[in-house]
Amino acid sequence: ETGVTQSPTHLIKTRGQQVTLRCSSQSGHNTVSWYQQALGQGPQFIFQYYREEENGRGNFPPRFSGLQFPNYSSELNVNALELDDSALYLCASSLGGGREGLGEQFFGPGTRLTVL
Amino acid sequence: AQKVTQAQTEISVVEKEDVTLDCVYETRDTTYYLFWYKQPPSGELVFLIRRNSFDEQNEISGRYSWNFQKSTSSFNFTITASQVVDSAVYFCALSPRMDSSYKLIFGSGTRLLVRP
Repeated sequence: ETGVTQSPTHLIKTRGQQVTLRCSSQSGHNTVSWYQQALGQGPQFIFQYYREEENGRGNFPPRFSGLQFPNYSSELNVNALELDDSALYLCASSLGGGREGLGEQFFGPGTRLTVL
Repeated sequence: AQKVTQAQTEISVVEKEDVTLDCVYETRDTTYYLFWYKQPPSGELVFLIRRNSFDEQNEISGRYSWNFQKSTSSFNFTITASQVVDSAVYFCALSPRMDSSYKLIFGSGTRLLVRP
């Protein structure tokens, strides 16, 4: 196990609702990255938080937003859910970021979101 | 463009056979990292190897070996004497160093089924 935890494990929402997913990073890690993995595809980078600030964003609309807290845990928020948002959401924690360079990324078990 | 291609969608072998998973990548960056991850049915991505763009030495770890060829932009993964426990989805990923987030760009994965 990597020490990265995510909650909840599974979630079912309806179209138009809002959802918050949570990630606790491995002890000592200050960077959290979020990925979306649709069924049968590879994970896609959503964004990264380094020391509580966004440090890079993938090709996702603004209704995908995030936060990182002083203890380096993180939240992913998705507003106005669409059917295509159904996916496994993975977070990865690591040490370093930005000009420090990024250490190894350790992934959590993911949150499976189903939008009906 | 930054892209990873895993042309083999699914491979099925009988236990003890050797199997090679192909990975071809595209990047304009001269400095980058390449990775392989394993994703068992539980969903958590398990790190297997990281290789930087300046190190073309092949690597062997037990039954696993990796062949990095910059000339053909390939980073192939071979499992020798496969076992049923090797059954999983395997992802190749690229991390360009010019992006401060060092995000991972994943291929679509290869599902490996090892039959007893």
